[in-house]
Amino acid sequence: AQKVTQAQTEISVVEKEDVTLDCVYETRDTTYYLFWYKQPPSGELVFLIRRNSFDEQNEISGRYSWNFQKSTSSFNFTITASQVVDSAVYFCALSVGFSGGYNKLIFGAGTRLAVHP
Amino acid sequence: SQTIHQWPATLVQPVGSPLSLECTVEGTSNPNLYWYRQAAGRGLQLLFYSVGIGQISSEVPQNLSASRPQDRQFILSSKKLLLSDSGFYLCAWSVGGIGNSPLHFGNGTRLTVT
Repeated sequence: AQKVTQAQTEISVVEKEDVTLDCVYETRDTTYYLFWYKQPPSGELVFLIRRNSFDEQNEISGRYSWNFQKSTSSFNFTITASQVVDSAVYFCALSVGFSGGYNKLIFGAGTRLAVHP
Repeated sequence: SQTIHQWPATLVQPVGSPLSLECTVEGTSNPNLYWYRQAAGRGLQLLFYSVGIGQISSEVPQNLSASRPQDRQFILSSKKLLLSDSGFYLCAWSVGGIGNSPLHFGNGTRLTVT
């Protein structure tokens, strides 16, 4: 069965601290995709990154970086020098059924990040 | 550019009343469309998805139904709301025919059933 686990329910940091959000996934498929989304207080989900199962290179985008390790089935997200605007709920998601031309995302429960000034 | 509109933003309905939430997408053709529900403090649950007009797949048996009367219109309905239908409903679209295309979400509808 496919599953995404985000064990950290809430994280609280002070501005400028680095923070890592954990994501562990389960799937028997050899080809799959992983995603991260941000949900600010306004409610909409904002797409951050997509990674396929064959690309284990870490990715960096500004203060954001992602560490994908198939050996541990993890796709962790690090925010460097956090800012108050980073406060949001972050969701990790696994794509299943994409061979049918649609994208069924299985979401984790989310991690609420609070960055305090 | 593509945009997704979802309305209403908030809704308070009594138990037993009907429901209709609407979602439209602009700037793309033949999108895949999705309805997700987010219960308070929890993750997102896929309710329905559609790969074309009139084609609806249901993920979870429930009190809700979905319809896609036009290519870029997706409607979530209920004949009689239950208290358990309360939640945050999100519509999303992805590029049709490409299974790994990211989902792009609307602003959501917060539904409270009283």
